[in-house]
Amino acid sequence: EAGVVQSPRYKIIEKKQPVAFWCNPISGHNTLYWYLQNLGQGPELLIRYENEEAVDDSQLPKDRFSAERLKGVDSTLKIQPAELGDSAVYLCASSHHRSGELFFGEGSRLTVL
Amino acid sequence: SQQGEEDPQALSIQEGENATMNCSYKTSINNLQWYRQNSGRGLVHLILIRSNEREKHSGRLRVTLDTSKKSSSLLITASRAADTASYFCATDDAGNNRKLIWGLGTSLAVNP
Repeated sequence: EAGVVQSPRYKIIEKKQPVAFWCNPISGHNTLYWYLQNLGQGPELLIRYENEEAVDDSQLPKDRFSAERLKGVDSTLKIQPAELGDSAVYLCASSHHRSGELFFGEGSRLTVL
Repeated sequence: SQQGEEDPQALSIQEGENATMNCSYKTSINNLQWYRQNSGRGLVHLILIRSNEREKHSGRLRVTLDTSKKSSSLLITASRAADTASYFCATDDAGNNRKLIWGLGTSLAVNP
């Protein structure tokens, strides 16, 4: 069974540039999560989808961050424009049930210069 | 915001020793999960314990849950160098649309 796939693994951009991250969850998993993780910290939820509906985006900085999950399968997280403080690892996870085990991708490490 | 708290923040032991990590939380929960994260990698699920369970085992892992104290512990027995990683607890907040609340993690170093 293929795991959660994320790309790119690493991205270095100048501040004020846009960036996008892509996530393909495990087949059949209805719930998809985007997390932000700073060094030495735990994951912080940005947005959670149930199928194609964003059911929790309360922590998503909507002035610069956007996400979509068309057709309830893969998802894209975008930052425009990026700021220095956005440097972090962006983790995607999926689960079959909302409160069940989460399966994480390897993450996308963003460095904003 | 992070509500789960693991302690210790960092733990260094020798191979073969046992490692114990603790997690405290603040809300009523449906379940509590433990995850491992190797450096530069994603998180990997280890074990889930439901609120009506008190203890659970999986291989060298033993998890306990005390809902009266709102705390859980993860015990790794006979540790190996490969157990070196960060360990996180996550609670399923029963009163907040079952939102997962993550701790800050315990960094475990197992020295050969």
